[in-house]
Amino acid sequence: AQSVTQLGSHVSVSEGALVLLRCNYSSSVPPYLFWYVQYPNQGLQLLLKYTSAATLVKGINGFEAEFKKSETSFHLTKPSAHMSDAAEYFCAVSETSYGKLTFGQGTILTVHP
Amino acid sequence: DTGVSQDPRHKITKRGQNVTFRCDPISEHNRLYWYRQTLGQGPEFLTYFQNEAQLEKSRLLSDRFSAERPKGSFSTLEIQRTEQGDSAMYLCASSLLGTSGDIYEQYFGPGTRLTVT
Repeated sequence: AQSVTQLGSHVSVSEGALVLLRCNYSSSVPPYLFWYVQYPNQGLQLLLKYTSAATLVKGINGFEAEFKKSETSFHLTKPSAHMSDAAEYFCAVSETSYGKLTFGQGTILTVHP
Repeated sequence: DTGVSQDPRHKITKRGQNVTFRCDPISEHNRLYWYRQTLGQGPEFLTYFQNEAQLEKSRLLSDRFSAERPKGSFSTLEIQRTEQGDSAMYLCASSLLGTSGDIYEQYFGPGTRLTVT
């Protein structure tokens, strides 16, 4: 069985500060990992995905994530937060490249001016 | 590419009534997924289709729930004898499964928010 744990249901940063959203996963097979963002009243949008080709994955809007197998982690970072980054972020894992996703409980990111 | 659409966006129903939701995937996407998201939680997998075939159902999908995808195009999710615990956001996603082995992104619709009173 797979599972995802997102540490911190709420994260608050100042505009221009580093964003760090934590994700740890559990999987019995090499995982496929994803980060999605959800803005109010909108569907989930893919930020980035882990393809196993590189441990550091770059996504849209300046976000990136690093896969660390030894730590079973896939933390999401952005060097400088922008007000428009305020949203809810979900980490997800899948056993296959095309299969069902298992999501974490989400982290709400608040960005202060 | 007009995206995944879902109808209705909001549904309020009384306990015991039946409801049906519709999902229109991105055209030519052969995989379609249903998820359920309750307040403060991440989406939970319900079921998925490969073309018209329903390949997997979660244990969350009780016998009051049924999903179809006739002709491999749009899909419907029906909930019979609704209960207050069914109140949630129901999300639909679609993807294209090809043969290259690449990772195929699931594109999500805006969801249908169900409130059972």
